[in-house]
Amino acid sequence: AQTVTQSQPEMSVQEAETVTLSCTYDTSENNYYLFWYKQPPSRQMILVIRQEAYKQQNATENRFSVNFQKAAKSFSLKISDSQLGDTAMYFCAFSGGGADGLTFGKGTHLIIQP
Amino acid sequence: AAGVIQSPRHLIKEKRETATLKCYPIPRHDTVYWYQQGPGQDPQFLISFYEKMQSDKGSIPDRFSAQQFSDYHSELNMSSLELGDSALYFCASSLMQGEETQYFGPGTRLLVL
Repeated sequence: AQTVTQSQPEMSVQEAETVTLSCTYDTSENNYYLFWYKQPPSRQMILVIRQEAYKQQNATENRFSVNFQKAAKSFSLKISDSQLGDTAMYFCAFSGGGADGLTFGKGTHLIIQP
Repeated sequence: AAGVIQSPRHLIKEKRETATLKCYPIPRHDTVYWYQQGPGQDPQFLISFYEKMQSDKGSIPDRFSAQQFSDYHSELNMSSLELGDSALYFCASSLMQGEETQYFGPGTRLLVL
């Protein structure tokens, strides 16, 4: 079974700063997918970014980028030029692909201060 | 763009009652997933369906059952409800031969009294 660990329960940064959220995982699979989801106070689950394990290039979506280290089983999320609207719970998630359910980490509560 | 639709959005039930949650996936998506998220917790995977067949199973209680219909919508049936079943229930959908990404609906908030 896979496990996903987020070691930072809560983080707080000033608006416009850059912040990095950490995520490590454990799996014996070679092909898999990793995701970051954002859950604002509305509790909607919003996809932030995805990474296929077979791709060496780190995924990037506007201000969001990941640092994927497959050998270290690490998948951190960097948010540049943070905005007040980035305040949310961020979940790291693992999928073995196909119709496999996602395994989530416990989440990191990110607070962007004005 | 069309999103995942869940109904009802809110539901209040008494202990030992039955509840049915519905999920309508994004058009063309053929795979549906159900998750349960308790207060202050991460979502827990319950079950998934691909082309109307159960595909993966997580921590779904025996009191719960689900199915996917010919139009790809799915229903989660919950019987003998307990106080601990109070949670936010998410449905997600994906395209099996697509980008392997699950898109979540807004969730159904279930309160068991």
